[in-house]
Amino acid sequence: EAQVTQNPRYLITVTGKKLTVTCSQNMNHEYMSWYRQDPGLGLRQIYYSMNVEVTDKGDVPEGYKVSRKEKRNFPLILESPSPNQTSLYFCASSLVRASGANVLTFGAGSRLTVL
Amino acid sequence: GQQVMQIPQYQHVQEGEDFTTYCNSSTTLSNIQWYKQRPGGHPVFLIQLVKSGEVKKQKRLTFQFGEAKKNSSLHITATQTTDVGTYFCAGLPNYNQGGKLIFGQGTELSVKP
Repeated sequence: EAQVTQNPRYLITVTGKKLTVTCSQNMNHEYMSWYRQDPGLGLRQIYYSMNVEVTDKGDVPEGYKVSRKEKRNFPLILESPSPNQTSLYFCASSLVRASGANVLTFGAGSRLTVL
Repeated sequence: GQQVMQIPQYQHVQEGEDFTTYCNSSTTLSNIQWYKQRPGGHPVFLIQLVKSGEVKKQKRLTFQFGEAKKNSSLHITATQTTDVGTYFCAGLPNYNQGGKLIFGQGTELSVKP
């Protein structure tokens, strides 16, 4: 089944304790992206990657890191989590088309709470 | 910066009533997409509009893309409880900034049986 898999789905952690949220897709998509969803703010892009070893900042990159060493994986790293990073996180992927019209496939989401 | 504004933020309707959500972009879009997120779920792609003035239908859902390609709407006729969820529009700026979609804030629809 074509899908985007995120882990963990739920996590409660404490301020300053490094964590990684993994994302993997099995559709050979070039494009991958991380979003956070907060009430009233919709989906805000954190980082995205157009292909292996190519990453770029989205709208709210502060406090996050990413890497794209393999096409299928795009982990999100919080080096020193803070309570304002408590949120629902989505990973998404898509093909990259010449028209730029990429239709996103989303993972199930990872709910992170930072105490 | 580039923005896509979506209204209303919330809409509560009685089952059988119609529902509309609107998106407006500060700049021209090359295309706009719509996604639906069920409660507790993840966004799922519904449709993409590309042409100026385009109208597409999916059963009771009607999607429109404005003539100037800066606004779009989703209209649901005779809502059902299965329509409950948050509807997002997502626009691709005309200058195609690496294929980066800009999401609206979403409209959360609740339907009272």
